[in-house]
Amino acid sequence: QLVLTQSPSASASLGASVKLTCTLSSGHSTYAIAWHQQQPGRGPRYLMKVNSDGGHTKGDGIPDRFSGSSSGAERYLTISSLQSEDEADYYCQTWGTGIHVFGTGTTVTVL
Amino acid sequence: QVQLQESGPGLVKPSETLSLTCAVSGYSISSGYYWGWIRQSPGKGLEWIGGIYFSGSTFYNSALKSRVTISVDTSKNQFSLKLSSVTAADTAVYYCARERISSRHFDFWGQGALVTVSS
Repeated sequence: QLVLTQSPSASASLGASVKLTCTLSSGHSTYAIAWHQQQPGRGPRYLMKVNSDGGHTKGDGIPDRFSGSSSGAERYLTISSLQSEDEADYYCQTWGTGIHVFGTGTTVTVL
Repeated sequence: QVQLQESGPGLVKPSETLSLTCAVSGYSISSGYYWGWIRQSPGKGLEWIGGIYFSGSTFYNSALKSRVTISVDTSKNQFSLKLSSVTAADTAVYYCARERISSRHFDFWGQGALVTVSS
């Protein structure tokens, strides 16, 4: 079964970096994922797609301080130089034949 | 810039049919891509409902398939969602989104429409 696992929360100080993890279920370690940001009270916004080799493709207008990487079944989103507007929920998404799956989301708090 | 905007009744009675429309601007639906619906129950995560290609080919979440119909109107550059026999569990913010054909991720989202199921 295709499942994505995310930690419920993460925090870091203003100006620091935070690294979020999305883990693919067993047997699906080669799958690509996408990261989406959801600021409070708003719809999600596509950030980037991350491949199994760590390559990533960003959405329009996504700042350079957002980057993606991979290791095995884990896909990462790193936010550098953390800003107050980065306080949001971050969801990973993947897909299979006829299905889409979302992780449960990570809430990022900027201290 | 691609923009999507959901519209429809914000209140639906139990057992009735929920109907929403997604108007697309900045891109012609007939040019390609899949077009999808995703929902988010209060305080919860995202759940994929289903999607449609401009030709009319559809694909649905198996958990909702018996109650979902997605259609497209290329002349109006919009697509629609119908969810029948709704219950309080269907109360959610409903989002429409564009899905890339080659890589299958959602790259543009609407702002969402809250639908409450209540008598």
